[in-house]
Amino acid sequence: DQQVKQNSPSLSVQEGRISILNCDYTNSMFDYFLWYKKYPAEGPTFLISISSIKDKNEDGRFTVFLNKSAKHLSLHIVPSQPGDSAVYFCAASANNAGNMLTFGGGTRLMVKP
Amino acid sequence: DGGITQSPKYLFRKEGQNVTLSCEQNLNHDAMYWYRQDPGQGLRLIYYSQIVNDFQKGDIAEGYSVSREKKESFPLTVTSAQKNPTAFYLCASSILDGSPQRETQYFGPGTRLLVL
Repeated sequence: DQQVKQNSPSLSVQEGRISILNCDYTNSMFDYFLWYKKYPAEGPTFLISISSIKDKNEDGRFTVFLNKSAKHLSLHIVPSQPGDSAVYFCAASANNAGNMLTFGGGTRLMVKP
Repeated sequence: DGGITQSPKYLFRKEGQNVTLSCEQNLNHDAMYWYRQDPGQGLRLIYYSQIVNDFQKGDIAEGYSVSREKKESFPLTVTSAQKNPTAFYLCASSILDGSPQRETQYFGPGTRLLVL
């Protein structure tokens, strides 16, 4: 049973527009969420995180929104750039599980020039 | 400069052979993790270690073994019992200080294992 789901396997966006990547979770014990970006044949790199005590966290072009009642989070990238083309994974952690992360299946973002 | 290194970048395994993937970090991180990624799928946790000489099974530990004799090193052995070892293997590490905000995991570049 997948506790973290990214229902869109791919997303195509025009350069300069907004990219919105979505993630849903089922485990109500999750209280910390992260987004990672991954290029082919490389390890994921950390992008941005959010604690469940917040509903929004912003870092430059990247903003993560958390809707706890809907068990949904989203990553907004604006403006999108061709270099943002990669696979994006959301991950979640529960307070009673140490630092263990549960990952979603990933969404491949393609930003067209 | 600090980071996580994994070697080799590519590894070939013959039938019935055990192979060991290396993971080293010089970040002075307490915890280390091994994940497996299959095409089109997310990362699945194989093993993790929060302290030297101690480690726990993750979601898919069968057919794998690990050791944590030094804080900096967390090698993963893919045994002959792992029937479908072809995958991209990722090692990660993090600080563990018990704070409410979980510490970010940082990943190495990965090792791709292929079966001959």
